[in-house]
Amino acid sequence: DSGVTQTPKHLITATGQRVTLRCSPRSGDLSVYWYQQSLDQGLQFLIQYYNGEERAKGNILERFSAQQFPDLHSELNLSSLELGDSALYFCASSVDRGEQYFGPGTRLTVT
Amino acid sequence: KNQVEQSPQSLIILEGKNCTLQCNYTVSPFSNLRWYKQDTGRGPVSLTIMTFSENTKSNGRYTATLDADTKQSSLHITASQLSDSASYICVVSASIYGGSQGNLIFGKGTKLSVKP
Repeated sequence: DSGVTQTPKHLITATGQRVTLRCSPRSGDLSVYWYQQSLDQGLQFLIQYYNGEERAKGNILERFSAQQFPDLHSELNLSSLELGDSALYFCASSVDRGEQYFGPGTRLTVT
Repeated sequence: KNQVEQSPQSLIILEGKNCTLQCNYTVSPFSNLRWYKQDTGRGPVSLTIMTFSENTKSNGRYTATLDADTKQSSLHITASQLSDSASYICVVSASIYGGSQGNLIFGKGTKLSVKP
């Protein structure tokens, strides 16, 4: 158990809908990262927050957005969902730029 | 262009055998290299992290090597077990400051299957 929690574990929704994925980092970690992993693909970095502020942006679509709250939990919002958005979404946390600890992931299925 | 390439893409070995996974990178400036193990449908778990000055690091039956001159790393698994079946991901940090996320480059992984 990495200490990073993600909810929900599974999510099934229809095209065009909007969903919110939630991540709680390890106690004491200020950085939160979001990744997307499509079937048989490598991890794709989406976005990083540090202590409430966006620090780095990767291959994140405009339909996706994220935020980190004062209590350091983070949410990833996915809107106007398409079939191709079906994937595992991982959250990771770290103290700052150090070792990243990954959560168990949220499996999103868009039908 | 910063890239991390892993080989082989997949590998099947018999339980008890050893194997070696490869990672070649073209990342600059280099800060550190990490190996992760990812079980199917689970989050990656860190195995080793090596900086420029380290050329070998072990974690139980896992031994990682790093040759910063040739920009190659390998992960050697000794006496494989069924539970070693997973994807192994090589990740290189390009930042001299230890890697803000924008500078982490992920390989696509090697899928290892250990058969009884």
